[in-house]
Amino acid sequence: AQSVAQPEDQVNVAEGNPLTVKCTYSVSGNPYLFWYVQYPNRGLQFLLKYITGDNLVKGSYGFEAEFNKSQTSFHLKKPSALVSDSALYFCAVSSDPYNTDKLIFGTGTRLQVFP
Amino acid sequence: DVKVTQSSRYLVKRTGEKVFLECVQDMDHENMFWYRQDPGLGLRLIYFSYDVKMKEKGDIPEGYSVSREKKERFSLILESASTNQTSMYLCASSSLASGDTQYFGPGTRLTVL
Repeated sequence: AQSVAQPEDQVNVAEGNPLTVKCTYSVSGNPYLFWYVQYPNRGLQFLLKYITGDNLVKGSYGFEAEFNKSQTSFHLKKPSALVSDSALYFCAVSSDPYNTDKLIFGTGTRLQVFP
Repeated sequence: DVKVTQSSRYLVKRTGEKVFLECVQDMDHENMFWYRQDPGLGLRLIYFSYDVKMKEKGDIPEGYSVSREKKERFSLILESASTNQTSMYLCASSSLASGDTQYFGPGTRLTVL
């Protein structure tokens, strides 16, 4: 069965430091991977996705993610964190290679950036 | 910009009531989805639709039904609300033109007493 795991419930980082939010996946066939962010009292916003091609994907707000097939990971990164990056982050994977829309979401990681 | 709107931000209902949650998107997207979001569980897919009058069950359809009479509108129905349906409900839409990226509404926080 397809699944996605976010092993950390919360990540704390000081402003200006690099941040990493971890995601690992399990799918049969090729994975289609997404990151979304949820700010307080808001819906989810798309950050970036990996479908095929370059393993390093760049997205909105200076975020990037690296697809690592051997480690089945798709970690979200940012070189220098901002307080405004504090939010809930979700990793998602497609469960159906013929319908990339149908996503399985992780449980979410709360990022807290301290001034 | 894609806009997905949901009829209510907050809703309080009583056990046994019939509840309608409405979702409207303005970008002519073919695909629409209903999720519920619970702490520690992430988002779970309830139902989705790839076309008008078409629906497919997601991972947790029990206790819910949906209706899609028009392309832009996707309704989630709780036939007889129960306390375990207290949750945040999120609607999303997508299309091939959007590169399969799902766009989400602001969510409806439903409390069933």
